[in-house]
Amino acid sequence: QKEVEQNSGPLSVPEGAIASLNCTYSDRGSQSFFWYRQYSGKSPELIMSIYSNGDKEDGRFTAQLNKASQYVSLLIRDSQPSDSATYLCAVHMNRDDKIIFGKGTRLHILP
Amino acid sequence: GAVVSQHPSRVICKSGTSVKIECRSLDFQATTMFWYRQFPKQSLMLMATSNEGSKATYEQGVEKDKFLINHASLTLSTLTVTSAHPEDSSFYICSAIPTDNYQPQHFGDGTRLSIL
Repeated sequence: QKEVEQNSGPLSVPEGAIASLNCTYSDRGSQSFFWYRQYSGKSPELIMSIYSNGDKEDGRFTAQLNKASQYVSLLIRDSQPSDSATYLCAVHMNRDDKIIFGKGTRLHILP
Repeated sequence: GAVVSQHPSRVICKSGTSVKIECRSLDFQATTMFWYRQFPKQSLMLMATSNEGSKATYEQGVEKDKFLINHASLTLSTLTVTSAHPEDSSFYICSAIPTDNYQPQHFGDGTRLSIL
């Protein structure tokens, strides 16, 4: 099993709909989880961090964490064309104290 | 929020040239900085972890004599690509985390390196 796994996409979502991005991880002891957005040709920018089970909301973004299922997700409400980007899931692996990035999911918001 | 400055943003140079890239944390101290490389349409690849005051830790397959890393202070790490060749052309990105290791990484804007 890969350490941090994401569907590469592309995920196409109509404008105004909810985009749902998923990520699974292998290290059960991981404590810190992050979502980054990366536009083509640019460096990643932090969107959300989440450390405990449940939901965390920030504007149109909601991160959801389920440590028992080793699953973290990002929901984007009222999707806008400007949300079209690659979304990277990052997990701080407890066992070797490293932050591991998934390969990213390409999101395309259809106008 | 935390700001990481990376310089230069773009370099175009001839094969055989050595290129130095700087990464600075502007408003926080970073005992650890990371250097990544990203080829077009591919994912981030961690090259090395830079630790202030000690030697960098390189990922498997990354030549430490080609990619020299210096982390002389809590706010500055440099990556030098020595004797660069066209296959070294890529997007190089640094990131830094505050001294609390569980905080998120903050990325610089990246350096696009083109070797002719």
